[in-house]
Amino acid sequence: DVKVTQSSRYLVKRTGEKVFLECVQDMDHENMFWYRQDPGLGLRLIYFSYDVKMKEKGDIPEGYSVSREKKERFSLILESASTNQTSMYLCASSLFGTANEKLFFGSGTQLSVL
Amino acid sequence: RKEVEQDPGPFNVPEGATVAFNCTYSNSASQSFFWYRQDCRKEPKLLMSVYSSGNEDGRFTAQLNRASQYISLLIRDSKLSDSATYLCVVRPYNAGGTSYGKLTFGQGTILTVHP
Repeated sequence: DVKVTQSSRYLVKRTGEKVFLECVQDMDHENMFWYRQDPGLGLRLIYFSYDVKMKEKGDIPEGYSVSREKKERFSLILESASTNQTSMYLCASSLFGTANEKLFFGSGTQLSVL
Repeated sequence: RKEVEQDPGPFNVPEGATVAFNCTYSNSASQSFFWYRQDCRKEPKLLMSVYSSGNEDGRFTAQLNRASQYISLLIRDSKLSDSATYLCVVRPYNAGGTSYGKLTFGQGTILTVHP
């Protein structure tokens, strides 16, 4: 089974801190994604990457950056955390080039910014 | 208009009931369609893909209506274990190649099945 591992289940940070969320997948997937999930808004795509060192903005990239130095690892960076970035963050991966690609999600990181 | 819209519910049904969810999408050139299921405090997982001709997996039936731009999920003989949030997911038209794999999620429909 594909495993997508997020480094922390719960994280509490202060406004202005730099925050790193790490995600690792073990199935050699090309595509990796970062979503945030908020009540009433569903999952919204922040950034995605279809190859090492490649990244594309999703629907809500403001305030975030990403890094993909190795195929298995995709990091989400909050340069200066703000309270409106309090959310559940979900990492996912999928195989490139399949018509009905299946997303595999990590278990999520609940980030609270105080 | 949102790219993918669902009735958030909640739907509260007794065991054994049949329940249906609809979802509309705005991009007429959308290519692929899915239903994901998310249990409380868990990550989403693929329930089923939705094919043009409609498809069935046990008690679950998915339909696609391209003309009206909606997809549906029918659950027959509901079980307590079907209680979850059901997410409608659409892959928009891929014009540039690099956005392959990008999926857009609806906000989810909450289902509670009670004894």
